[in-house]
Amino acid sequence: AQTIHQWPVAEIKAVGSPLSLGCTIKGKSSPNLYWYWQATGGTLQQLFYSITVGQVESVVQLNLSASRPKDDQFILSTEKLLLSHSGFYLCAWSPTGRDTQYFGPGTRLLVL
Amino acid sequence: QQKVQQSPESLTVSEGAMASLNCTFSDGTSNNFRWYRQHSAKGLEVLVSIFSDGEKEEGRFTAHLNRANLHVSLHIREPQPSDSAVYLCAVSPALNAPRFGAGTKLSVKP
Repeated sequence: AQTIHQWPVAEIKAVGSPLSLGCTIKGKSSPNLYWYWQATGGTLQQLFYSITVGQVESVVQLNLSASRPKDDQFILSTEKLLLSHSGFYLCAWSPTGRDTQYFGPGTRLLVL
Repeated sequence: QQKVQQSPESLTVSEGAMASLNCTFSDGTSNNFRWYRQHSAKGLEVLVSIFSDGEKEEGRFTAHLNRANLHVSLHIREPQPSDSAVYLCAVSPALNAPRFGAGTKLSVKP
């Protein structure tokens, strides 16, 4: 069975500080991977997707970047956090681009 | 750009009564429709996927799609308090990124 893990569970960070959020998928080779962001009380938005190692496509510009250093790993990062980056970050995977996306437990980020 | 709107914003039903949630979308070429639910800002759980007009049942969850009316609904049979959550509609045109609605907050009272 496939499992998806996100870390950290929650973060409190200062404006201007760097950020790195991680996501790993076990039990599935070559998955499509996605990052989503949900502002408090807001709508879920897809930020990035990746169909293969080393390849990442940006969907929404939020002064964030993503990388896929390994087949089973997806990283979301920024060098300088903004207050507007606060929210809930979800990683998801799917077998292909057409399939249902399965979501991880999420990371809650508060930027002060 | 695809717009996805859900109604009602919140819904309270008694345990055992049918719960009905609605979702309208603007892009008639969309062909992937999914309902998810989210418990207290946790990960999303996929409930049902539907790709053609008509009905799709997954356990107590039934989705109805009418693309001509730009409408997809979710019906929850015999809802229980543990079904209390935010329900999200996701609409995808072909291979593009899904657009999510703002959600319907469902409360099921014992």
